[in-house]
Amino acid sequence: TQLLEQSPQFLSIQEGENLTVYCNSSSVFSSLQWYRQEPGEGPVLLVTVVTGGEVKKLKRLTFQFGDARKDSSLHITAAQPGDTGLYLCARLGNQGGKLIFGQGTELSVKP
Amino acid sequence: NAGVTQTPKFQVLKTGQSMTLQCAQDMNHEYMSWYRQDPGMGLRLIHYSVGAGITDQGEVPNGYNVSRSTTEDFPLRLLSAAPSQTSVYFCASSWGRGGQPQHFGDGTRLSIL
Repeated sequence: TQLLEQSPQFLSIQEGENLTVYCNSSSVFSSLQWYRQEPGEGPVLLVTVVTGGEVKKLKRLTFQFGDARKDSSLHITAAQPGDTGLYLCARLGNQGGKLIFGQGTELSVKP
Repeated sequence: NAGVTQTPKFQVLKTGQSMTLQCAQDMNHEYMSWYRQDPGMGLRLIHYSVGAGITDQGEVPNGYNVSRSTTEDFPLRLLSAAPSQTSVYFCASSWGRGGQPQHFGDGTRLSIL
């Protein structure tokens, strides 16, 4: 299957806490993209990971691509209210030309 | 730069009506696509195009038509609106022929009564 499963679906935390969001598939994928979407706007690309075991950092956000290239995670350190939004992972479909998205993780960070 | 522009931002239709959602990009991207977003279901691909004159179906194409006569424009047509098509529609574009990071518009919120 080409499906991407994201967990958790919802996450509500207090400012300053750490959190991890997961994106998993039963099949290997060549690369994975992470997007963040704020209410009333379209998704915006955060990062692309392409190499198994790769770790990328974007300020307080750490993205990891699993060694087997079947999973990825997004870790946020010391979450802030500005991190609130919908986090989406996406992979290229096996038939090419099609980007397949996970169902998203809705994050709420309360002050 | 305008990026990807979608119009209208909001629309209410009656069942059976037809309409066209407009999408234009000014980045000379070859690849354009339409997604619908429903609660808890992420983004589902409706149709996509790898260049002018070339379109193909995504995961949920039924009830929608597209055409790509120019590089810049990729309109989405609802032939006979149904309540199940109530959703938020996003247009996106990217360089290359698919799989590259997408630039999204701000969406069209469509309600079918």
